[in-house]
Amino acid sequence: KQEVTQIPAALSVPEGENLVLNCSFTDSAIYNLQWFRQDPGKGLTSLLLIQSSQREQTSGRLNASLDKSSGRSTLYIAASQPGDSATYLCAVKRDSSYKLIFGSGTRLLVRP
Amino acid sequence: GEEVAQTPKHLVRGEGQKAKLYCAPIKGHSYVFWYQQVLKNEFKFLISFQNENVFDETGMPKERFSAKCLPNSPCSLEIQATKLEDSAVYFCASPKDLNTEAFFGQGTRLTVV
Repeated sequence: KQEVTQIPAALSVPEGENLVLNCSFTDSAIYNLQWFRQDPGKGLTSLLLIQSSQREQTSGRLNASLDKSSGRSTLYIAASQPGDSATYLCAVKRDSSYKLIFGSGTRLLVRP
Repeated sequence: GEEVAQTPKHLVRGEGQKAKLYCAPIKGHSYVFWYQQVLKNEFKFLISFQNENVFDETGMPKERFSAKCLPNSPCSLEIQATKLEDSAVYFCASPKDLNTEAFFGQGTRLTVV
């Protein structure tokens, strides 16, 4: 059974810091991995999608890496801003089914 | 349109009443996935569709939950005889294909009182 874990559960940093969010999964037979952000009371905004054959994806100040063999992904946020404050979720899509299996998220607060 | 549209945004039902939620996927996207978010960040898969056809319904509590995607209509998720434990935010996601990005709607917050 695929399990997805995100560490830390919560993170508070001063504005301008670079930070790394971690996601690990127990079954390496994944199709792809997607990072989302969720603002309080809102839906999920897709940030980055990494296919299983890829090692990383970049979008603006965000960089996501994937190491399938060790069951890990990281989301790197450069020069954090207060507007980055949100909950960040990673989700994996397994080879055998196509539903997303979510981690429990990292709640990020960027202090001005 | 380019957004997944979910209605209503909020829904309050008394225990035992019916609840119906709607999702209009992005035009041209073949798949719709429904998820239930409880206890802040716990997402549970419910059901998926490929166009009008059920693709995977392994997450559906079949006794009270049903879902449809009909041509030229929003997809719907219906809960008969709601229970307190059905209180959650229900999201639908609309990927174009199975290996592409999943775009989510804003969700419907269902509160059963």
